[in-house]
Amino acid sequence: KNEVEQSPQNLTAQEGEFITINCSYSVGISALHWLQQHPGGGIVSLFMLSSGKKKHGRLIATINIQEKHSSLHITASHPRDSAVYICAVSFGNEKLTFGTGTRLTIIP
Amino acid sequence: DAGVIQSPRHEVTEMGQEVTLRCKPISGHNSLFWYRQTMMRGLELLIYFNNNVPIDDSGMPEDRFSAKMPNASFSTLKIQPSEPRDSAVYFCATWLAGGGEQFFGPGTRLTVL
Repeated sequence: KNEVEQSPQNLTAQEGEFITINCSYSVGISALHWLQQHPGGGIVSLFMLSSGKKKHGRLIATINIQEKHSSLHITASHPRDSAVYICAVSFGNEKLTFGTGTRLTIIP
Repeated sequence: DAGVIQSPRHEVTEMGQEVTLRCKPISGHNSLFWYRQTMMRGLELLIYFNNNVPIDDSGMPEDRFSAKMPNASFSTLKIQPSEPRDSAVYFCATWLAGGGEQFFGPGTRLTVL
């Protein structure tokens, strides 16, 4: 069983919709990362957080340590947000364990 | 900085051949990671180095895989002999201690026929 679970696996939405992607993990972690992988394959780190909330532009990431849960939100979604979003956790060192990813498609 | 540089970007080889993937980390980053991504298993850590020393190679699938980091500016991942099931995208990523995020290279897409 993967230690990091993401939902949904696939998500299709209309441009402008508010998007939420969820990530749950099974044991205590030191940090949680959200990554973005575009169709071309490159991987970019969006957020690293260990508590609370972070915001960058239209992207917001939250984490609830007690519930072992994180969410990635996208406001006013745009077709260029179409990508695979990957949640990853670290356990006291820099080694990452990855979720299976959420494939997001935004339709114009 | 040019970011993490990987070469080659694409490699097609025949089963049994030796494959060498290369990575140049961001200058000053003291941790380097090799990951493999497949449709079936997603992203997996193969091995990581800290200050050029291998710290955790538990993700290396078998003895056919080896990785080295002879200095702070270069690392290789070698597969010998290669097999079709090694076909995947291999990413190198680097990290500055205390810096938070990892920076990924563009990946090498390996196809073993």
